[in-house]
Amino acid sequence: DAGITQSPRYKITETGRQVTLMCHQTWSHSYMFWYRQDLGHGLRLIYYSAAADITDKGEVPDGYVVSRSKTENFPLTLESATRSQTSVYFCASSDRDPGNNEQFFGPGTRLTVL
Amino acid sequence: AQTVTQSQPEMSVQEAETVTLSCTYDTSESDYYLFWYKQPPSRQMILVIRQEAYKQQNATENRFSVNFQKAAKSFSLKISDSQLGDAAMYFCAYRSANTDKLIFGTGTRLQVFP
Repeated sequence: DAGITQSPRYKITETGRQVTLMCHQTWSHSYMFWYRQDLGHGLRLIYYSAAADITDKGEVPDGYVVSRSKTENFPLTLESATRSQTSVYFCASSDRDPGNNEQFFGPGTRLTVL
Repeated sequence: AQTVTQSQPEMSVQEAETVTLSCTYDTSESDYYLFWYKQPPSRQMILVIRQEAYKQQNATENRFSVNFQKAAKSFSLKISDSQLGDAAMYFCAYRSANTDKLIFGTGTRLQVFP
């Protein structure tokens, strides 16, 4: 399917486990982003990537790892999940063109850490 | 650092009436973009309207319009002829012209009553 997809849509895990959230986009957009959404905070940027093999930290990167070996994929890994990482995670992508740089969001992944 | 403030956690409006959602932001930059995103119960983030800071004319998209006051750093969203489908969380967001990162406000939950 065309667009931006995330998997899984729902995930329950335990404290200390490693979890990887997947993000895939079919537009060949240069930029990809990971946000987390928590009550009272809106969406906060975790990591972003300007191109394959280029990643950078956002506002709340601690406890997360990203990679981008292919343009279309941008997985987010929680190396040792904590309860404070219970959240809804959104992946987004945008083109490089500064005049038309709308970010398109995936459907989100609800992660619960017990 | 740039910040975005939405001071109304909740708003309500009667169907067919008009409602205005407030957003203020803080930045020292002169070139930037402002956005309003809608998040219905499905969680999907949908771009409602976008404003370029260098444009004096307020953006309009059908029933949605903004009041952009650059000097006051204010960016309110007006929804005319409100419909039941407008019920959602609305997020204001800021993006510097020098980066592709979005900074979100904490959101306003809009209820629409028949």
